[in-house]
Amino acid sequence: AQSVAQPEDQVNVAEGNPLTVKCTYSVSGNPYLFWYVQYPNRGLQFLLKYITGDNLVKGSYGFEAEFNKSQTSFHLKKPSALVSDSALYFCAVRANQAGTALIFGKGTTLSVSS
Amino acid sequence: DTGVSQDPRHKITKRGQNVTFRCDPISEHNRLYWYRQTLGQGPEFLTYFQNEAQLEKSRLLSDRFSAERPKGSFSTLEIQRTEQGDSAMYLCASRRNQEVYEQYFGPGTRLTVT
Repeated sequence: AQSVAQPEDQVNVAEGNPLTVKCTYSVSGNPYLFWYVQYPNRGLQFLLKYITGDNLVKGSYGFEAEFNKSQTSFHLKKPSALVSDSALYFCAVRANQAGTALIFGKGTTLSVSS
Repeated sequence: DTGVSQDPRHKITKRGQNVTFRCDPISEHNRLYWYRQTLGQGPEFLTYFQNEAQLEKSRLLSDRFSAERPKGSFSTLEIQRTEQGDSAMYLCASRRNQEVYEQYFGPGTRLTVT
């Protein structure tokens, strides 16, 4: 069965420091991977995706993510965190098969302190 | 593009009542999805439309739930005989056909069943 795991419920970083939010996945076939961010009282916003190609993908707001097939991981990264990055982050996967639904992890709360 | 809109944003109902939610996708997005999100969890897929055809339904979509997209534009999600366990955020998402895999989410409808 397809699944996504976000092993950390919360990540705390200081402003200006690099951040990493972890995600691992389990799918049959080639994965299509996504990161979304959710701010309070707002819908999920798309950040970036990996479909094929370079393992390092760049997205909105300075975020990037590294696809690692051998480790089945797709960690979200940012070189220098901002207080405004504090939010709930979701990793999601879709296998390139007939189904088109996204399977989401439980989410990781990122807290950036000033 | 204007974003995905959902109405109402909040709904409080008594157990046993019927409720209906509406989703207006981004124009020209012919694929539409419904998800449910409970506290501390990521969104869970409910159902998917391509144009007016409902192509996928999750096992989460019990027979008390029905969704329509009659003209391939807006969609409605109806819950009959609501139960307290139906309390959740109901999210709608849309995406273009072909080659664009990310889904764009609306702000959600928060349902509280008392």
